[in-house]
Amino acid sequence: NAGVTQTPKFQVLKTGQSMTLQCAQDMNHNSMYWYRQDPGMGLRLIYYSASEGTTDKGEVPNGYNVSRLNKREFSLRLESAAPSQTSVYFCASRGLYGGTDTQYFGPGTRLTVL
Amino acid sequence: QKEVEQDPGPLSVPEGAIVSLNCTYSNSAFQYFMWYRQYSRKGPELLMYTYSSGNKEDGRFTAQVDKSSKYISLFIRDSQPSDSATYLCAMSVGNEKLTFGTGTRLTIIP
Repeated sequence: NAGVTQTPKFQVLKTGQSMTLQCAQDMNHNSMYWYRQDPGMGLRLIYYSASEGTTDKGEVPNGYNVSRLNKREFSLRLESAAPSQTSVYFCASRGLYGGTDTQYFGPGTRLTVL
Repeated sequence: QKEVEQDPGPLSVPEGAIVSLNCTYSNSAFQYFMWYRQYSRKGPELLMYTYSSGNKEDGRFTAQVDKSSKYISLFIRDSQPSDSATYLCAMSVGNEKLTFGTGTRLTIIP
C-alpha cells in the first residue's frame, strides 16, 4: 500500500497564477483533508470531505477550492495564488488502519508564491 | 487563547535522557488524544493514540492523559538520535476533525 500520495512535491508560482494540488489514498478511507503548515502555526485545516460528493470548510478556506473526485482522490485548487499562500500543504485521510481510527498524512507539497 | 497549547521548543537533550513533551488544552469535550512525529521535510506520522485518562505505553514511548487538568504528555525513554523530530500533539471531540498543537522541535545529541 502506498498510503496517501501527493503531487507535486514542490512548486513555485507567480502571484495570480493558478494550480491544483493532487492527493490520492489507497486505504479505502471515506474522509480526506487538506492542511497547510506554517512556522509557529501548526497544522491548520483548509477543507475536508467526510465522504465522496461532500466537502466542508475548515479553519482557513479563503482562496482555496476543493474537489472530491471519487473515494480515492481529493484535490486542492488555488485559483489566483498570493504570497500568503506560500506554505507546506498536507493531505490526509481518516479511517481504520492497523487497528487505529485516525488521520494518516501524505508527504506534503512545498509551495512558494512569488 | 488557542484550544491547544504546546511549547515550540526547540528542545535539545543528550542521548539516553528521558524526554518529556507536553500539551495543554481548553476544550473539555476533547476525548481522543494523539501524538504525531514529523521528521524534517516529511509528513506527520501517528506515534501514539489514546482516548482515556491514564498512561499508554509502546516500547520507549509513554503517552499520559490527565483530563481533569486538561494536560497530555509524551515521554521518551532512552532517547536516540533517531528520535530527533518535531512532535505534534493532536486531539478531537469525535474522530472527524483534529486540533493540533504547534509542535515541539526535539534534537537528541549523540
